[in-house]
Amino acid sequence: GESVGLHLPTLSVQEGDNSIINCAYSNSASDYFIWYKQESGKGPQFIIDIRSNMDKRQGQRVTVLLNKTVKHLSLQIAATQPGDSAVYFCAYRDDKIIFGKGTRLHILP
Amino acid sequence: EAQVTQNPRYLITVTGKKLTVTCSQNMNHEYMSWYRQDPGLGLRQIYYSMNVEVTDKGDVPEGYKVSRKEKRNFPLILESPSPNQTSLYFCASSYSDNTEAFFGQGTRLTVV
Repeated sequence: GESVGLHLPTLSVQEGDNSIINCAYSNSASDYFIWYKQESGKGPQFIIDIRSNMDKRQGQRVTVLLNKTVKHLSLQIAATQPGDSAVYFCAYRDDKIIFGKGTRLHILP
Repeated sequence: EAQVTQNPRYLITVTGKKLTVTCSQNMNHEYMSWYRQDPGLGLRQIYYSMNVEVTDKGDVPEGYKVSRKEKRNFPLILESPSPNQTSLYFCASSYSDNTEAFFGQGTRLTVV
């Protein structure tokens, strides 16, 4: 069946280091992928997206990588800051959005 | 300011008492949806709407109803709430089913 999974439910990173959050998906027909950030007490917030005709897309301090061969998506956050502490969800859109279960990113001082 | 507004933010109700959670967006989006978020289960879609008067079931529609009479509003209705509908609910909207979604702040519902 369709699923969007995360490799790790929790990730701890030293402040200033780079963070890499991974996601595996099973539906090879999907052509649109999204990363969301959810801070405590708030709704998910769009970070960056990528379509299947690309394998890399960069934003401000964030990069999304898409490997369609192994059906793997990752989010890289450069120079992680305390404000990056949140739960990060990957998602893909088929006829609707399907979300992964999320990775909680902890920032260590 | 572009936003999705849900009301109420918090609600405690009793089993069987009908309730409505409202959702409104000011971005002229065609696509709207409702999710529930539960620990360990992530976000699951309840219902979605691709346009006015067009609604479809998501992954967990049982016990819920929606309506889309106007583009900006997409209320979620629980005709007879039960304790297993205690959850955190999010409304979301987007231009289409292939663009980023904007989420509301959430409604925390407790059914006793």
